[in-house]
Amino acid sequence: QKEVEQDPGPLSVPEGAIVSLNCTYSNSAFQYFMWYRQYSRKGPELLMYTYSSGNKEDGRFTAQVDKSSKYISLFIRDSQPSDSATYLCAISAGKSTFGDGTTLTVKP
Amino acid sequence: DTGVSQDPRHKITKRGQNVTFRCDPISEHNRLYWYRQTLGQGPEFLTYFQNEAQLEKSRLLSDRFSAERPKGSFSTLEIQRTEQGDSAMYLCASRQQDEQFFGPGTRLTVL
Repeated sequence: QKEVEQDPGPLSVPEGAIVSLNCTYSNSAFQYFMWYRQYSRKGPELLMYTYSSGNKEDGRFTAQVDKSSKYISLFIRDSQPSDSATYLCAISAGKSTFGDGTTLTVKP
Repeated sequence: DTGVSQDPRHKITKRGQNVTFRCDPISEHNRLYWYRQTLGQGPEFLTYFQNEAQLEKSRLLSDRFSAERPKGSFSTLEIQRTEQGDSAMYLCASRQQDEQFFGPGTRLTVL
């Protein structure tokens, strides 16, 4: 079993929809929780990070962490075609362990 | 540009050749990481430096792989006697405290 499991997708939604992206993890030692966006053939771009349970909001993006369930989510409100990309969760205790990504397509 | 840079961006080589990649981190970041990413997978950790000290190496990093960060600034990753299975995107990231930023990657194709 992988240390970080990410809902595989792919996910296709209409413009304006609310998107939910999810990961689970197994190692309680993980301290930092990050979400990256990656466009095809590019390096991952850091969207958000947090280290505590609860919600953290940044514009249209909300990162949610539940340490008791070892579950993290990224919500995207009012999704736009420019949000179409692969989203990676990453969980860190020093080095980072990544999920395999969820590919999102937002259709105009 | 104050982000992480990597060179070259693309490398095509023949099986058995040696290749070297360079990473220039964000200047004030003391931690530097190398990851490898193949299609449909997330980045996999290879190795990590704190300043010039290499603190951790993954089991993925066979004897053919070596990484250095001689002055605690830029880093190099060398692959000797490349194999077709080494074809991947090699990503460098630098980190200061909580935020880890990636470079654009070096895409390696081994023929």
